[in-house]
Amino acid sequence: DTGVSQDPRHKITKRGQNVTFRCDPISEHNRLYWYRQTLGQGPEFLTYFQNEAQLEKSRLLSDRFSAERPKGSFSTLEIQRTEQGDSAMYLCASSLKGGNNEQFFGPGTRLTVL
Amino acid sequence: SQQGEEDPQALSIQEGENATMNCSYKTSINNLQWYRQNSGRGLVHLILIRSNEREKHSGRLRVTLDTSKKSSSLLITASRAADTASYFCATPTTKETSGSRLTFGEGTQLTVNP
Repeated sequence: DTGVSQDPRHKITKRGQNVTFRCDPISEHNRLYWYRQTLGQGPEFLTYFQNEAQLEKSRLLSDRFSAERPKGSFSTLEIQRTEQGDSAMYLCASSLKGGNNEQFFGPGTRLTVL
Repeated sequence: SQQGEEDPQALSIQEGENATMNCSYKTSINNLQWYRQNSGRGLVHLILIRSNEREKHSGRLRVTLDTSKKSSSLLITASRAADTASYFCATPTTKETSGSRLTFGEGTQLTVNP
């Protein structure tokens, strides 16, 4: 499978716990995006990497959120001290710089904070 | 905040009928994209229309773009039950620090009844 993969697909955690999600983009894509989607809404941008550099973070990304892409390949998104409001689908997408902006999305990680 | 607004929010039709969804946006764009999302899954890119195009076709999909009204429409002809999904329009914001992050509308939930 050469598409974007995310792990885990589902995560249930208790409030206050830390969680980490992983995204493996399409191998030749140098751009990687994280989005968050709540029920009934469209995805909202969280952060963007070009290769290993995190170039932009949304105001939605509070201090409890951190994302990395250490080798310019896979990326992780960590949420510390989770809150019930963090419950959402976390989507990862990748694309090629200079392309037509088409982004390829992974299946998402659905987070439920109890 | 969401730039786009889709209309209607929900649409229910019979198999074989056509489905039309509309999207409005607020800022200048280079292109506009439509994505489909099956329940609980990631997004799939359907079609991209550039700002200098007025209409584009892809199979049973027809997209129009009116930059003077900042609006777009997606027409699905001869709908099938498998077309049941949420449909989102998205506009890229292209700058060095954000790659081409997408701003999504709130989506139209399409139900095609067999």
